[in-house]
Amino acid sequence: GESVGLHLPTLSVQEGDNSIINCAYSNSASDYFIWYKQESGKGPQFIIDIRSNMDKRQGQRVTVLLNKTVKHLSLQIAATQPGDSAVYFCAENSGGSNYKLTFGKGTLLTVNP
Amino acid sequence: DTGVSQNPRHKITKRGQNVTFRCDPISEHNRLYWYRQTLGQGPEFLTYFQNEAQLEKSRLLSDRFSAERPKGSFSTLEIQRTEQGDSAMYLCASSLRRGLQNTEAFFGQGTRLTVV
Repeated sequence: GESVGLHLPTLSVQEGDNSIINCAYSNSASDYFIWYKQESGKGPQFIIDIRSNMDKRQGQRVTVLLNKTVKHLSLQIAATQPGDSAVYFCAENSGGSNYKLTFGKGTLLTVNP
Repeated sequence: DTGVSQNPRHKITKRGQNVTFRCDPISEHNRLYWYRQTLGQGPEFLTYFQNEAQLEKSRLLSDRFSAERPKGSFSTLEIQRTEQGDSAMYLCASSLRRGLQNTEAFFGQGTRLTVV
């Protein structure tokens, strides 16, 4: 079936560097994408979202890029901090307007001080 | 705390026993979702409610699983005759749907089930 996946399972960066986490999706009909951050023992925390009629969206220290041609999504974190260490998931809305999400496998981001 | 609340946080049960989890969504949210997450994987959709109506169930939700939201507020997820393969984190999320628009879904901290 359709799925969302990640290129890199782990990413290690130095504090202050920029981080880029990538995600490939296969459902060309998906029109809404979300990045979640999940810390150990906690539920996923919404970071940023993007609709398919956009190719870039910026938040505080985070930017999401969407390339529909190659079905690729990325999350850029500027000036990465130790508190950014977590597993990051991309998710797509596979259920139209009902917000049923399909999650990828996740990327573990480790920020070294 | 006005976020999504789940109880208990942890549950250890013997194989074959029944367990029930509770989710209290954000108060004004009319949509409630249940997901299951196993170690190293992303959450998988199980089912969702709009108010008290259960609108969709995943094929992952076997006959041993049942979810309710009787008054359109809190929800319960029951697993009967638990199996070791049911061991996972069970996540609840809620969102507000107005017309054709949804707010983003906010997740609770989850209930970690261990079946021994």
